[in-house]
Amino acid sequence: DTEVTQTPKHLVMGMTNKKSLKCEQHMGHRAMYWYKQKAKKPPELMFVYSYEKLSINESVPSRFSPECPNSSLLNLHLHALQPEDSALYLCASSQEADREVGDTQYFGPGTRLTVL
Amino acid sequence: GENVEQHPSTLSVQEGDSAVIKCTYSDSASNYFPWYKQELGKRPQLIIDIRSNVGEKKDQRIAVTLNKTAKHFSLHITETQPEDSAVYFCAAHQLDLHSGGSNYKLTFGKGTLLTVNP
Repeated sequence: DTEVTQTPKHLVMGMTNKKSLKCEQHMGHRAMYWYKQKAKKPPELMFVYSYEKLSINESVPSRFSPECPNSSLLNLHLHALQPEDSALYLCASSQEADREVGDTQYFGPGTRLTVL
Repeated sequence: GENVEQHPSTLSVQEGDSAVIKCTYSDSASNYFPWYKQELGKRPQLIIDIRSNVGEKKDQRIAVTLNKTAKHFSLHITETQPEDSAVYFCAAHQLDLHSGGSNYKLTFGKGTLLTVNP
């Protein structure tokens, strides 16, 4: 399996809802990432997990809560989001993270999130 | 610094022509430079990458060149086809200064919208 998968593909939620995004990879990668991408912009890093430990949090608001239950799974829990949080949320994985030598990151198809 | 500058922001070429996209980076310690292609509504897909120990890499119609001294790298697409139309992002592997300078991340350029006209 050489793919990163994400569910759901689309999500519409109200500002008071709680929802979760899920990401899975079976490539044996030890690093997983969450990115946020607005239209016509590059992916913007949110969180990095390395060996199931959070290694980077790019000052993301606490209404986004990441979780890495095991080396193959990555979740993003959403609560009390704002309309400006509407975006494409991309998950990625790589062999390693936090190494001086860069590793290729493979992206999932993303979850298109709309906050009403 | 963590900057990656990418030019041009839009590029329109005729089918069969070549396309060149250029990026500059600020962190002289950067050693890995991937290029991603993102079609509308799809995920970014790696098309080619280069490491700092080589100056050029080629894969069929796609090539990337790296000038470490000048801190810039370029994507070259020859014999362009309509299916090459997409947004292309360059990136550089850099220290994440935001998290204290001991972690690494990819810093992306702002993207180039390439349109290949048939």
